[in-house]
Amino acid sequence: GPKVLQIPSHQIIDMGQMVTLNCDPVSNHLYFYWYKQILGQQMEFLVNFYNGKVMEKSKLFKDQFSVERPDGSYFTLKIQPTALEDSAVYFCASGRDWGGNYAEQFFGPGTRLTVL
Amino acid sequence: TQTVSQSDAHVTVFEGDSVELRCNYSYGGSIYLSWYIQHHGRGLQFLLKYYSGNPVVQGVNGFEAEFSKSDSSFHLRKASVHWSDSAVYFCAVRNNAGAKLTFGGGTRLTVRP
Repeated sequence: GPKVLQIPSHQIIDMGQMVTLNCDPVSNHLYFYWYKQILGQQMEFLVNFYNGKVMEKSKLFKDQFSVERPDGSYFTLKIQPTALEDSAVYFCASGRDWGGNYAEQFFGPGTRLTVL
Repeated sequence: TQTVSQSDAHVTVFEGDSVELRCNYSYGGSIYLSWYIQHHGRGLQFLLKYYSGNPVVQGVNGFEAEFSKSDSSFHLRKASVHWSDSAVYFCAVRNNAGAKLTFGGGTRLTVRP
């Protein structure tokens, strides 16, 4: 099936540094998402993005977080500055449609972020 | 607010057994329900969905799920499991008005030979 790629698979950084997580979505998809999964906990929605804009965001999407997809390339999640509680696996997803019956989201393998 | 509950954190069965993974949700309006599978170290793979129509939906690899409005449930079933079905299974809901998925806590299925 359609594949979403995420780069890197693991990232270790010091608290306070900036990190950018990259997502290569399915080529004809227009809707993009980030989810966060802390070890042993359930996956939680962070943000979704369409046509250059954030459509929805959760309370987990702090002011230090930002997303963009410059020139149709990678969909990125930037955290600046990072905090210890940002350590988690971040999953990117993309979808063809927003709602209705055809809104399956296709997920990448995740980026494991460790903040020291 | 929509919530999803997966009552069993772990389920262990033998190869060839049938299995049911439970999912209950709370939401009052039109709803879209789905199941995903996550093998170790990999992303979530879509299994199946329910949006409307026949409450029993078929997915990949012999999985099916049944929607029950009266029970607020969307349980996943498979008649005969294989060792490769060992994974974590997530139930997710989305209200029809937006695309945010709300996930349950996941059920780890272990299939023993």
